Amino acid sequence: QVQLQESGPGLVKASQTLSLTCSVSGGSITSGDYYWSWIRQPPGKGLEWIGYIYYSGSTYYNPSLKSRLIISLDMSKNDFSLNVRSVTAADTAVYFCARHVWFGDRYFDPWGPGTLVTVSS
Amino acid sequence: DIQLIQSPSFLSASVGDRVTISCRASQGISSYLAWYQQKPGKAPKLLIYAASTLQSGVPSRFSGSGSGTEFTLTIGSLQPEDFATYYCQQLDDYPPITFGQGTRLEIK
Repeated sequence: QVQLQESGPGLVKASQTLSLTCSVSGGSITSGDYYWSWIRQPPGKGLEWIGYIYYSGSTYYNPSLKSRLIISLDMSKNDFSLNVRSVTAADTAVYFCARHVWFGDRYFDPWGPGTLVTVSS
Repeated sequence: DIQLIQSPSFLSASVGDRVTISCRASQGISSYLAWYQQKPGKAPKLLIYAASTLQSGVPSRFSGSGSGTEFTLTIGSLQPEDFATYYCQQLDDYPPITFGQGTRLEIK
């Protein structure tokens, strides 16, 4: 059973870079059957898809965030990472990672439990 | 971008009620629509994908229907554990993948 777990600093200063890692267990991120996505949710608000990565290294980003994003993967550690540059208070959110089923049926499952990142001034 | 509008945004109902949540897409998305349930402090949980396919382990009181631009999530007989926020998600056009704004279901 695949499980995902986000990790990283819970507090980031404005204008700096937010960095998170999603560790995958029970399955390999090198499986060609899946993409691996990041999603965020500001406190009390809805869900926003950030972007995803394929095992080949191909990435797709939300255009609203694209200029500040890098998603990468580390096959040796079986994890993938998110970097968001030049953060502001608007980037304060719970950040989730999820396995992204795409070939055939399409959905996100499972999700990590999420990690809260607060941007401070 | 494809916009998803859920209605209602807030719903008050009683245990045993049958409830329906709608999700309307700004353009056709075939059947690439999923529904999630989220409880406070938890990650979203997949309920339905491909508009009407029940995810393994999800109770059969949950059902989905629709295609194109109009979709519906129905809960046949509300149970206490069903009170949560529900989101639809479209995975047809990318980027970006988008979610509806959510429907909060509360106990009357």
